[in-house]
Amino acid sequence: EVRLVESGGDLVQPGESLRLSCAVSGFTFSVYEMNWVRQAPGKGLEWISYIESGGGTTYYADSVKGRFTISRDNSKESLYLQMNSLRGEDTAVYYCARGRACTGGACFYDYWGQGTLVTVSS
Amino acid sequence: DIQMTQSPSTLSASVGDRVTITCRASQSISNWLAWYQQKSGKAPKLLIYKASTLESGVPSRFSGSGFETDFTLTISSLQPDDFATYYCQQYGSYSRYTFGQGTKLEIK
Repeated sequence: EVRLVESGGDLVQPGESLRLSCAVSGFTFSVYEMNWVRQAPGKGLEWISYIESGGGTTYYADSVKGRFTISRDNSKESLYLQMNSLRGEDTAVYYCARGRACTGGACFYDYWGQGTLVTVSS
Repeated sequence: DIQMTQSPSTLSASVGDRVTITCRASQSISNWLAWYQQKSGKAPKLLIYKASTLESGVPSRFSGSGFETDFTLTISSLQPDDFATYYCQQYGSYSRYTFGQGTKLEIK
């Protein structure tokens, strides 16, 4: 069974940092491209970052570029999102999602984690 | 950037109805389109990819069609479990606006 489990969400103040993790099981993590997608409260889905299977290529949405860093450890079957300089508008549920049929960083997502809530507020 | 526009934003329907949700791309995306269902408090679930290919395990009452810029998701006979929010998503090219804004399907 494919499983993706996010962790690390928390309440933080503006300007602070946070690191999210996504532990996967049930598939060969090292051959799949992975993504982070977020959803602000009551809003739609927003793709924010992509990483190719070997970790060498990454893409970011403009809204997080320069502040967030995606990474992965294939030996630990884990995906990460380092979030710096957090803002109120980063408040959202953050999902990790497995990519399929990816081209140039654009994929559809066949498996999703349950999400982890990040709240940025003073 | 390619933008995705769904309509309607909200749709009221009854069990047994046939419903259609539309998604329009601002430029051609060939058939690189996926549909997701999201229930409140849950992660999205993939329904359809490549515009019309049903993901494994998804009931056959769901179908998708379209090409280039105009796409539809149809539910042939609504079931109680289908009331949820539906999103289209293009994956033909990198874009800031990969998802549509969503269509909330409500019980009439």
